[in-house]
Amino acid sequence: KAGVTQTPRYLIKTRGQQVTLSCSPISGHRSVSWYQQTPGQGLQFLFEYFSETQRNKGNFPGRFSGRQFSNSRSEMNVSTLELGDSALYLCASSLSHRAEEKLFFGSGTQLSVL
Amino acid sequence: AQSVTQLDSQVPVFEEAPVELRCNYSSSVSVYLFWYVQYPNQGLQLLLKYLSGSTLVKGINGFEAEFNKSQTSFHLRKPSVHISDTAEYFCAVSESNYQLIWGAGTKLIIKP
Repeated sequence: KAGVTQTPRYLIKTRGQQVTLSCSPISGHRSVSWYQQTPGQGLQFLFEYFSETQRNKGNFPGRFSGRQFSNSRSEMNVSTLELGDSALYLCASSLSHRAEEKLFFGSGTQLSVL
Repeated sequence: AQSVTQLDSQVPVFEEAPVELRCNYSSSVSVYLFWYVQYPNQGLQLLLKYLSGSTLVKGINGFEAEFNKSQTSFHLRKPSVHISDTAEYFCAVSESNYQLIWGAGTKLIIKP
């Protein structure tokens, strides 16, 4: 069974641009969540989708948005990039949206904003 | 508000020595507790989790953790570490609303 796939692996953008990151969950998983990881800060929750509906959202500005498609694949978009958006963006999938569910993570997309 | 504190940003330890990685959380309600590990250049994977029942939880790769409700702690332990345990370890807490709150991580550095 294929794991969680995130594309692209690396991205370099300049301030003011926008970017779209993609996540393909494990087959059969209907929940996808997104996290921002920066050194020393741990993981910050961005949002979670289940069956194409956003169920939870973290404390990020409106420049960060996402969506989920009918096949459970998810995309995350960041508009008007800022230097502080440089981070590793991780996607995780799980069978359901229950709090006790095990998360399966992708290897992440490393975004650098210059 | 819920928060998770991992008291050590780095823990150096000699190979085959025991290790404890500390995690404390703040919450006034029942929680689910998790430890995840991130090996270099890889995504995170679940080591173990506490949902209910026995306070001593055993996970993969010889790790175990003990839930202490009175001290709101969930420390991770291993009796003998190997070079392959070099990684960053994250503690996370979840209430019933699904959203996981993560600690800042602890880097385990194994000295030969």
